[in-house]
Amino acid sequence: GAVVSQHPSRVICKSGTSVKIECRSLDFQATTMFWYRQFPKQSLMLMATSNEGSKATYEQGVEKDKFLINHASLTLSTLTVTSAHPEDSSFYICSAARGVSQETQYFGPGTRLLVL
Amino acid sequence: AQSVSQHNHHVILSEAASLELGCNYSYGGTVNLFWYVQYPGQHLQLLLKYFSGDPLVKGIKGFEAEFIKSKFSFNLRKPSVQWSDTAEYFCAVMRGYNQGGKLIFGQGTELSVKP
Repeated sequence: GAVVSQHPSRVICKSGTSVKIECRSLDFQATTMFWYRQFPKQSLMLMATSNEGSKATYEQGVEKDKFLINHASLTLSTLTVTSAHPEDSSFYICSAARGVSQETQYFGPGTRLLVL
Repeated sequence: AQSVSQHNHHVILSEAASLELGCNYSYGGTVNLFWYVQYPGQHLQLLLKYFSGDPLVKGIKGFEAEFIKSKFSFNLRKPSVQWSDTAEYFCAVMRGYNQGGKLIFGQGTELSVKP
């Protein structure tokens, strides 16, 4: 099956610093990747759609200057949380789309971010 | 706004009991429907999906789901659950045809199976 990895799996940082999270599709090329945020005991909320070679598309209410997304290659998308604050602490999950119409998403294991 | 609703927040069953988890969505156009499972400490895995054709879809691990268009529903079923089915289950909807592949997730249902 399709494999998607994320790095790091867990990160603790100080308030005001920036954190970069990587999402890689290991055995297929993904022109489209997605970034989600999951709060404890809640569902996944789509933050943005990452398109290889073009700007990301952000969902309403998500600050694009706060959550920088770069999709530099067909196997790598990065999410940078800039000037992180405690309220940014969450579980961030990426997915990579596969299929003729990009209709099936394969999810990474997630990154737990804790901002102190 | 488009939404996905899962009726049960937490379901507790004994092994061998039958399972049905409800999922309803609000979008009226063409949709693609998914069920994902998240085992404790693991990432989301695709259980099954419906795009078109036979509304009764069979997935992995003995799960199946039925798409009932008139009821905007896509309920997940399994005739006999096992302890290893303990997990969080998410229903998700993707609007069809050039909608960018966006998935809208339900709130999730936590399934606890007692041995």
